[in-house]
Amino acid sequence: AQSVTQPDIHITVSEGASLELRCNYSYGATPYLFWYVQSPGQGLQLLLKYFSGDTLVQGIKGFEAEFKRSQSSFNLRKPSVHWSDAAEYFCAVGAGYSGAGSYQLTFGKGTKLSVIP
Amino acid sequence: NAGVMQNPRHLVRRRGQEARLRCSPMKGHSHVYWYRQLPEEGLKFMVYLQKENIIDESGMPKERFSAEFPKEGPSILRIQQVVRGDSAAYFCASSPTGMREKLFFGSGTQLSVL
Repeated sequence: AQSVTQPDIHITVSEGASLELRCNYSYGATPYLFWYVQSPGQGLQLLLKYFSGDTLVQGIKGFEAEFKRSQSSFNLRKPSVHWSDAAEYFCAVGAGYSGAGSYQLTFGKGTKLSVIP
Repeated sequence: NAGVMQNPRHLVRRRGQEARLRCSPMKGHSHVYWYRQLPEEGLKFMVYLQKENIIDESGMPKERFSAEFPKEGPSILRIQQVVRGDSAAYFCASSPTGMREKLFFGSGTQLSVL
């Protein structure tokens, strides 16, 4: 069974500082990997995804993530955080194939990001 | 183009009552997914539906929970005889192709059971 671990429950950074949110996954083959962001009272918005190819993926809002197979990690980064980035961030893994049993995503518990002005 | 619409935003029920949660997918989307988010937890998959068909309900509790996505109208997640443990945020997502990489999420329904 697949699983996702986000070790940091809450992170606080100063505006303008760099950010890295950690995500480790467990999956028997090459997974599909996602980062979603959830602002208070809102649904989840997809930031970026990895399926195959270049292990450094670019997303919206200046975010990027790097897939490291050897470490089973997919950490999210941003060079300079803005106050509007304060939200909760979820890493998710999906089966790396299509068909029966592949429809569901497994989410981590999330990392809440606070930004100090 | 309206996004995924869920209603109500907040629903309060007493133990033993029924809860009905509605989800209208984005225009042109015929694939709907329901996820549940318990406090301090990530989202958990419940069910995947296409129009008039349940494709994968492996995440649904065996009793009291049901889901439908009729030919016309919204998808409904129904919880009978609610208990306090059902208190959670329920999210609906839709996609145009059924591929999980194109999921669009609604803002959720917060169910509180008294």
